[in-house]
Amino acid sequence: SQQGEEDPQALSIQEGENATMNCSYKTSINNLQWYRQNSGRGLVHLILIRSNEREKHSGRLRVTLDTSKKSSSLLITASRAADTASYFCATGLQGGSEKLVFGKGMKLTVNP
Amino acid sequence: DVKVTQSSRYLVKRTGEKVFLECVQDMDHENMFWYRQDPGLGLRLIYFSYDVKMKEKGDIPEGYSVSREKKERFSLILESASTNQTSMYLCASSLGRGLSGAFFGQGTRLTVV
Repeated sequence: SQQGEEDPQALSIQEGENATMNCSYKTSINNLQWYRQNSGRGLVHLILIRSNEREKHSGRLRVTLDTSKKSSSLLITASRAADTASYFCATGLQGGSEKLVFGKGMKLTVNP
Repeated sequence: DVKVTQSSRYLVKRTGEKVFLECVQDMDHENMFWYRQDPGLGLRLIYFSYDVKMKEKGDIPEGYSVSREKKERFSLILESASTNQTSMYLCASSLGRGLSGAFFGQGTRLTVV
């Protein structure tokens, strides 16, 4: 069964605005990861946050993790039309296995 | 840069055929994964391998098998293709030990007719 669930399922914003995407998951994790997928292509890894971390930054990306609420958020600041893509959260599960389980994804549209 | 290469971008097969999807990575990664992606369902894990000849079932292994005889190569086998296996198949690899994210191939769009 899928572990993560992104919210909202679709988001449309104007260029320059910030975009916030949320992910909730069900079981204990080692890490949580965010990926981007441009139409018809493979996924690209954006950022990984470990279960003992609360916040991480990478360029215009900011990820937070709240393990007590089993949730994470991805913030893209000063969005660009090129950020238009599908975004997925994925969880690296606790307990020995290194399975990587994805959510259903959400579609971000940044209008120029 | 890590490269994950899937053998075909598009594939059309007939119902009942045995289908092989090949995936090769060039970064000596421990873990390799096969997912299928369908509209509205996201990525679902079919099989995962954490070492040569080692594998774990994912969420939807029925109708599929895998082979990892060499570290760099992970094959997905559809024993007897059916129309409900028409999908986008994505292969990925990762370093292991939760140290990095996964790198994906470009995907194989399989149509079973």
